[in-house]
Amino acid sequence: DAGVTQSPTHLIKTRGQQVTLRCSPISGHKSVSWYQQVLGQGPQFIFQYYEKEERGRGNFPDRFSARQFPNYSSELNVNALLLGDSALYLCASSLTVQSNQPQHFGDGTRLSIL
Amino acid sequence: KQEVTQIPAALSVPEGENLVLNCSFTDSAIYNLQWFRQDPGKGLTSLLLIQSSQREQTSGRLNASLDKSSGRSTLYIAASQPGDSATYLCAVPDPYNTDKLIFGTGTRLQVFP
Repeated sequence: DAGVTQSPTHLIKTRGQQVTLRCSPISGHKSVSWYQQVLGQGPQFIFQYYEKEERGRGNFPDRFSARQFPNYSSELNVNALLLGDSALYLCASSLTVQSNQPQHFGDGTRLSIL
Repeated sequence: KQEVTQIPAALSVPEGENLVLNCSFTDSAIYNLQWFRQDPGKGLTSLLLIQSSQREQTSGRLNASLDKSSGRSTLYIAASQPGDSATYLCAVPDPYNTDKLIFGTGTRLQVFP
């Protein structure tokens, strides 16, 4: 079975632009979470979606938004890009939102802001 | 506020050594603890998940232990190999929002031949 897939793998944008990142969870997984990982740090939680509803939001500005589709795939949108948004954006999926379920991560999208 | 710390930040060992990576957390009210591996520029690979009711989990040459009362977990790697070189991260669910994982900053491991 395919794991969590993310696209694109790399992206270069300039300040002020907008970007959309995509994630397909493992087949059968209904929960999708997004994390931002800056170089040398651990991932930071951005959003979690389950059954198309937002269930959690991290400490990120309103420039960050996301949604989940009926097939459980998800998009992360970032508006008005800043240099500090340069990071690896990771998507994770799990079967449900029960805390005993492991989260499985994709390979991420490397976003560079010039 | 839950905080997760990993020591050491970096480790370089010769092939064949047994080694221990440490993870500490400040709030013992955790549901589980997960260990991940991250290769340079790549995503996270789940290694082991220990439930709060468990003391340890094993997978091949990896053994992870959990002591909630002291706020610690260790990842033991037996007979290390160059292919084990990667960054190892531990994570726990936020006690107040279990949908959210809180990560340490990782231990960067290099195993040289």
